[in-house]
Amino acid sequence: AQKITQTQPGMFVQEKEAVTLDCTYDTSDPSYGLFWYKQPSSGEMIFLIYQGSYDQQNATEGRYSLNFQKARKSANLVISASQLGDSAMYFCAMREAGGYQKVTFGTGTKLQVIP
Amino acid sequence: ETGVTQSPTHLIKTRGQQVTLRCSSQSGHNTVSWYQQALGQGPQFIFQYYREEENGRGNFPPRFSGLQFPNYSSELNVNALELDDSALYLCASSLGGAGGANVLTFGAGSRLTVL
Repeated sequence: AQKITQTQPGMFVQEKEAVTLDCTYDTSDPSYGLFWYKQPSSGEMIFLIYQGSYDQQNATEGRYSLNFQKARKSANLVISASQLGDSAMYFCAMREAGGYQKVTFGTGTKLQVIP
Repeated sequence: ETGVTQSPTHLIKTRGQQVTLRCSSQSGHNTVSWYQQALGQGPQFIFQYYREEENGRGNFPPRFSGLQFPNYSSELNVNALELDDSALYLCASSLGGAGGANVLTFGAGSRLTVL
């Protein structure tokens, strides 16, 4: 069974600084996808970035990058140049390749950006 | 391109009642999945519909049921409501019936309170 672990319930970061949100995963499937979503207080989950298990390079999307270490089964999200609007819950998630599209989420990290 | 819309946004029910939540998928998406997010937790997969059939289910009892219509919109029905059913219910749409990089696009959710 797939599992996602986020060990940081809450994080603080100074505006304009970079922050790393940790995520480890467990799966026996060699083919899988890893996602990060942002959930503001409004409730909607916003897709940030995707990394496939066979991708050779770390994914980047604007200020977001994913530090993918396959051997360690970690997929940390790095947010550069933090902005006040980055304050939200952040969820790491995984989908295994076989069958249907069930996505398993972690428990999330609450990020607060300080002016 | 319209996103995922859910209704109602908020509702209050009492124990034992039944509730129906509705979701319109993003244009061009043929797969809908439903998630339950309890307060302070990550979303938990309830089930998924692809081409009007349930093709995956999480660890939820049969009183959680759903439908998908020919236009790919969907309903989540919960019978015999219990206090623990109080949560944010998220609908997500995506394209395709297999895994991979297909991104889940979420609605803003329906917040259910059971008294």
